Amino acid sequence: DTGVSQDPRHKITKRGQNVTFRCDPISEHNRLYWYRQTLGQGPEFLTYFQNEAQLEKSRLLSDRFSAERPKGSFSTLEIQRTEQGDSAMYLCASSLVGGPRYEQYFGPGTRLTVT
Amino acid sequence: GENVEQHPSTLSVQEGDSAVIKCTYSDSASNYFPWYKQELGKGPQLIIDIRSNVGEKKDQRIAVTLNKTAKHFSLHITETQPEDSAVYFCAASETSYDKVIFGPGTSLSVIP
Repeated sequence: DTGVSQDPRHKITKRGQNVTFRCDPISEHNRLYWYRQTLGQGPEFLTYFQNEAQLEKSRLLSDRFSAERPKGSFSTLEIQRTEQGDSAMYLCASSLVGGPRYEQYFGPGTRLTVT
Repeated sequence: GENVEQHPSTLSVQEGDSAVIKCTYSDSASNYFPWYKQELGKGPQLIIDIRSNVGEKKDQRIAVTLNKTAKHFSLHITETQPEDSAVYFCAASETSYDKVIFGPGTSLSVIP
């Protein structure tokens, strides 16, 4: 069990550019979640997957955001035409539905700064 | 949708004293209430959780209480240690597998 990993850990981009983040969940975890956390606030839910199926998306996930989990393993979160308001920590979590441990395990996050 | 409020936003205690964080939630459909600890540069880590069919749960120095009627739940940390210093989040969810709605956080400082 190597934990949830996220890449990159930090990303600085200019407004208008596209960025993509990657999340590798704990092996065999079938559910994967994305959250966004701004400074001084609690994480806010964005979306989650059961295997490769995207089951729920938050209203926070505008048309500029897209998430995929093509083979039910790793996931990517893409933000197109970034805006300064997108600056935040993007957190990924995973869990095993039906397993003995049900909690969501969080990764270290990717900190995005849009200049 | 669910809304979770939390107070205080900052809390400073002397080492060895107790710390209490209180939260409220709005959605009666919530049945799972996890508490997370977040240290600088890290993701949130689950420290304890409670389900709606239980009123109280304890794990060593940490205890949580839940009043489902009043939609209140609380975290109690006894015999605080400097390593308890972190940001603590309460949260609510329909089940442990669903999206988690977080409170705004409490920054706890334990003074040696």
